[in-house]
This record gives sequence, C-alpha cells and structure tokens, in this order.
Amino acid sequence: AQSVAQPEDQVNVAEGNPLTVKCTYSVSGNPYLFWYVQYPNRGLQFLLKYITGDNLVKGSYGFEAEFNKSQTSFHLKKPSALVSDSALYFCAVRPATSGTYKYIFGTGTRLKVLA
Amino acid sequence: GAGVSQSPSNKVTEKGKDVELRCDPISGHTALYWYRQRLGQGLEFLIYFQGNSAPDKSGLPSDRFSAERTGESVSTLTIQRTQQEDSAVYLCASSFFRVDQPQHFGDGTRLSIL
Repeated sequence: AQSVAQPEDQVNVAEGNPLTVKCTYSVSGNPYLFWYVQYPNRGLQFLLKYITGDNLVKGSYGFEAEFNKSQTSFHLKKPSALVSDSALYFCAVRPATSGTYKYIFGTGTRLKVLA
Repeated sequence: GAGVSQSPSNKVTEKGKDVELRCDPISGHTALYWYRQRLGQGLEFLIYFQGNSAPDKSGLPSDRFSAERTGESVSTLTIQRTQQEDSAVYLCASSFFRVDQPQHFGDGTRLSIL
C-alpha cells in the first residue's frame, strides 16, 4: 500500500537553531513529493516540491528539503528557525504514474519554535 | 491573483439539518479536491473532480455526503442529515491536471454540529 509517514507528532526547536521535520514514503515507482504548511484557521500552503533533478530542493520562507531515494525520505529543513515558523507541516506524495491524481498526505507534524 | 475561495468560513447547525459548502477554484485549474480535517488530525480525502470526467467519490464516508461541480468551476459539497461526527474543517483544493503540480487550498469551512 502507498503511504507517507511523519514519525513525529511534534518537534520543538529553539529560535535560531536548525530544524528538521521528517517524512518517509512508500510508493510504487518514482514519487513526486511535496511539503505544505498550515497556520491556525488557514488552509494548507505549498512550500516546495521534488520532481526530478537535484536532491536538495529550495522553497518558500527559507525552507529546503532533501530527497533521499535509498532511504525513501524527504525531510524538511531550515538552517535557522523563526518563531513565526511555528505551524503544522504536512508531507505529501503523488506517485508519478500516468492517471494517478490522488495525493497521499502524512498525518502532520506540529513545529514549535521557542523564543 | 485570486486563490481558492470557500464559503461559508464557519457554519453552525443543528444535528439532522442539511448543509451545503461551496468552493470556487482558481481559474484554469481543472482538478478539484475536497478533504475533511478533524481537529488536530490530518487530511481525509473525500472526492476528486477532473474536468468533465466522472468524479472519484471513493472517499465519501456515507451516502449522506454528495458533491457536484459545474464544468470546471464552482463545486458544492452537501451533507444531509448532519451528525455530530461530521464536525470538522472541510478543505477544498484545486490544481492544474499535471502530476507535478501542487494543490492550492482554500481556508476551509469550519462545520460545527450541535
């Protein structure tokens, strides 16, 4: 079965420290991978995606993610966390199969950046 | 430019009543999705529309739930005879019909069943 796992319900990090939010996936074939962020009472906002090419993808608000095919992971990172980064983060995968249109979302990781 | 618009933003209704939720996708986006998000939880896929193709209704939890879409524009999600377990945020998203394209989400309708 195709799935996405975000093993941490919550991640706490001090402001100014690097942050990592983990995501692993299990799909058949090559995946297209996405990260979204959700602020309170808002919908999800697209941060970045991996389609092909460089394993390190840069996105909005200084976030980046590293695709690791052998570990089937796509961890979200930021070199220096801000209090305003505190939010709910979702990893999503879309199998790169013709006609496959569903996105599979992880359960979300709540990031708390402490001042 | 305009994003995905959902209305109402909040809806409070009594158990047993019918509700209708509306979604206006981004112009040019042929794909439209509905999700349900219960408090503190992830996204639960409900239904998917693509152009004039038959929708994928595989995520609808019961026959009380239905959805329609007019061409490639507005969609409505209807819940009949609401139950308390229907309380959740209902999110709509749209995208271009390409596998490498991200979804764009509305801010959702927060539905509370008394």
